[in-house]
Amino acid sequence: ILNVEQSPQSLHVQEGDSTNFTCSFPSSNFYALHWYRWETAKSPEALFVMTLNGDEKKKGRISATLNTKEGYSYLYIKGSQPEDSATYLCACPSNTGNQFYFGTGTSLTVIP
Amino acid sequence: KAGVTQTPRYLIKTRGQQVTLSCSPISGHRSVSWYQQTPGQGLQFLFEYFSETQRNKGNFPGRFSGRQFSNSRSEMNVSTLELGDSALYLCASSPQGDRGYDTQYFGPGTRLTVL
Repeated sequence: ILNVEQSPQSLHVQEGDSTNFTCSFPSSNFYALHWYRWETAKSPEALFVMTLNGDEKKKGRISATLNTKEGYSYLYIKGSQPEDSATYLCACPSNTGNQFYFGTGTSLTVIP
Repeated sequence: KAGVTQTPRYLIKTRGQQVTLSCSPISGHRSVSWYQQTPGQGLQFLFEYFSETQRNKGNFPGRFSGRQFSNSRSEMNVSTLELGDSALYLCASSPQGDRGYDTQYFGPGTRLTVL
């Protein structure tokens, strides 16, 4: 079992603010880290798959970094918009690669 | 390309009954995984199928089972339903389920309520 943790549990920011949150995972036997965005009443949507220490990925105003040696990843949102309101999940696969362990998510609310 | 579809979207059952949920993956995807989400819990892995074979199973009782057909469509079955089985059940497909590197594409889920 992999212990994947996310913080904070929830976050309220004003429109235009930048924000970031954390995903922590065991640094041993690391294979990959996935970030998802899950909007209410929709399916979880993949944001990034990160595999290498020092990876940085970007999609529009959202970016993520990965530190496999210390076991954490940061997700950043620049200039938050109301449409960014969602729960952001991270997940790591097991050493067989096919069993994913999810964190409990960070719920982001962007106030107009 | 059509996304992952799940049927039914909502289901109400009573304790002791059994239920079958269906998942149709994205065309060409061979790996299908199932997850359970209950309030306060993250997504809990149930099992993963690839080419009709169960490759991984999460820590759930034997009442939870699944299968995959030759067209990659998958079903999961829960027998002798308990109140605690009330949850959102999601399935996700990926091309190969390749050692955790493949992106997973999720369906909209089936909301199961057990009374």
